[in-house]
Amino acid sequence: EPEVTQTPSHQVTQMGQEVILRCVPISNHLYFYWYRQILGQKVEFLVSFYNNEISEKSEIFDDQFSVERPDGSNFTLKIRSTKLEDSAMYFCASSEGDSYEQYFGPGTRLTVT
Amino acid sequence: QKEVEQNSGPLSVPEGAIASLNCTYSDRGSQSFFWYRQYSGKSPELIMFIYSNGDKEDGRFTAQLNKASQYVSLLIRDSQPSDSATYLCAVIKGSQGNLIFGKGTKLSVKP
Repeated sequence: EPEVTQTPSHQVTQMGQEVILRCVPISNHLYFYWYRQILGQKVEFLVSFYNNEISEKSEIFDDQFSVERPDGSNFTLKIRSTKLEDSAMYFCASSEGDSYEQYFGPGTRLTVT
Repeated sequence: QKEVEQNSGPLSVPEGAIASLNCTYSDRGSQSFFWYRQYSGKSPELIMFIYSNGDKEDGRFTAQLNKASQYVSLLIRDSQPSDSATYLCAVIKGSQGNLIFGKGTKLSVKP
């Protein structure tokens, strides 16, 4: 069964450093998403991506965040200058359409020290 | 008013019983509703989706939607200890499908 994959599973970085989180969505899916979940809190939407551009973004997704689809399979989230409060689980998700079911990857646990 | 509200629980049921999980949402224009299961430290796993008023059954799971009351529920029949997890209700917001999640209800099924 096709699934969303994410790498790395755990990333530890120092405050102020840049990190890139990687995702491989399900191959025939057209919509891609990033969500995050701070420990003990709810899952929060960050950004959606369709047709090689950002479709929507939340207030959380400020100038330090960017997304890219560098090739036909990968979808990346870059955080330019990490802060302590960026520590969270980051989930990538994909779907066939904008109102369709979204399937989540296993997540990347980001720890900023 | 919170966009998606759920009782945080914990909800404790004995093995074999029916677990009933509830969710309300604030945007009357919402059209698509999802239930995810999340084990501790893991990612959300889609278990049910419902788009139309009424009931939708899939194995031991039944999702119920009442758009007039802005209410969606999940019933789990013959609950098993392996069903112990946090159940997340999610609603699509926006034109590009971004999900708004509730805080989740923690379910504990006792053997």
